[in-house]
Order: sequence, then structure tokens, then C-alpha cells
Amino acid sequence: QQPVQSPQAVILREGEDAVINCSSSKALYSVHWYRQKHGEAPVFLMILLKGGEQKGHDKISASFNEKKQQSSLYLTASQLSYSGTYFCGTADPTNAGNMLTFGGGTRLMVKP
Amino acid sequence: DTGVSQNPRHKITKRGQNVTFRCDPISEHNRLYWYRQTLGQGPEFLTYFQNEAQLEKSRLLSDRFSAERPKGSFSTLEIQRTEQGDSAMYLCASSFGTGTVLTGELFFGEGSRLTVL
Repeated sequence: QQPVQSPQAVILREGEDAVINCSSSKALYSVHWYRQKHGEAPVFLMILLKGGEQKGHDKISASFNEKKQQSSLYLTASQLSYSGTYFCGTADPTNAGNMLTFGGGTRLMVKP
Repeated sequence: DTGVSQNPRHKITKRGQNVTFRCDPISEHNRLYWYRQTLGQGPEFLTYFQNEAQLEKSRLLSDRFSAERPKGSFSTLEIQRTEQGDSAMYLCASSFGTGTVLTGELFFGEGSRLTVL
């Protein structure tokens, strides 16, 4: 069963903030975040391992609440280059933790 | 370019024909994954190799699909007797890992787009 992402789509103006949520019905080893631009391959953003850590670089950060089996991706002061579809991928004990199950994606459009 | 390479990039075929896709992973990566992605959806897991061993295969994967990774290097994904529902982007990804939990990033190729007429 794939993780559920919300919202499905969001439109921002440059400089605005956004939060993308990822929720799983299973206990998780890790949550991975990827961004995919139209016609391109998904590109890795970050990994969060169980332990409730929050990671980030530049103006993109993420948190992982293993008890709630949820992760959130935070995009602050959005830039035009942030446009794309964001996917969370989860690794859980039912698949030995060695492969990712991806959510349906959140489409982000940043306008000038 | 030392990234993940996939060929062909595009394939148009008639229903009932067989197709084969090839993936060349990053050379030092021991793990290789195949995913399928349809428009507006997230990548859907198909199968996974560690070195030459196929360790996981999706229960959704029909027996028309077969994948190999001889010698733990490149991999091929073959679809026999294609159906229109097989039309999708087939993505290959590789990573390096030694533990039991995926802690490294997946490096994706640009995919092979299949259109079945």
C-alpha cells in the first residue's frame, strides 16, 4: 500500500512557503523525498531515518515522525526552480527495507 | 557521463509484440531497481536486484515481465506479448548499499517510454 501525499497540487508565488505531507499506514524504516520535473528523472532531495530527525539544506527541509508514520517536506521562500512534482518514498519492514514505495506525488507550481 | 543509462529511450510497438529494455547502472552500485510510472502517478516498484540476485519482485508483476542482471552489471527488462496497459515510462535506478535497510539515495535513469498500439 502506497503512502498518501497531501496536497495533490499547490500553486505558489515566488517567496511563499509550502508544506507537503506524506503519511503511511505502516511502520517505517525511512522516508525519502524526490523531485521530478516534467520529462525528467526523479532527483533525490533527502533521506530521513527513523529517530524523528529533521534534515535540510538551503531552504528545503523535512521532518519524520516515526510514531505517527508521517513525514513533512518544508519549502521556504520558494523559487521558480522548485516547480515540479514531489514524491515521498517509504521503506518498511514488509519489504525488508530495501526498496521504496512511492506516493502519488504533489505537483508544485511556483509563479513569478 | 557516469549516470544511469537506459535504452531505448522510446519504444513504440504493436500489441502482442515483445520488447526489451536495458539499464546500465552507475558502475560501483550493487543494487538495481526497476519502476514503472504512468502519467500523473508516482513510480511503482517492479523488481530489485542486489548484485546478480533478484531479491524482490512485485506481486503485481505479471509473468509476462522478466528481468535479469547477469554478472551484477547491466540489467534487462523484457515484456512479452505486450498489452496496451503496459504503456508507461519504465525507470531504472541504482544505489550502493550493504545493510538490510535502504539508507542511500536512488539514482534514476531518464527512463524508457513504451507505447503499445
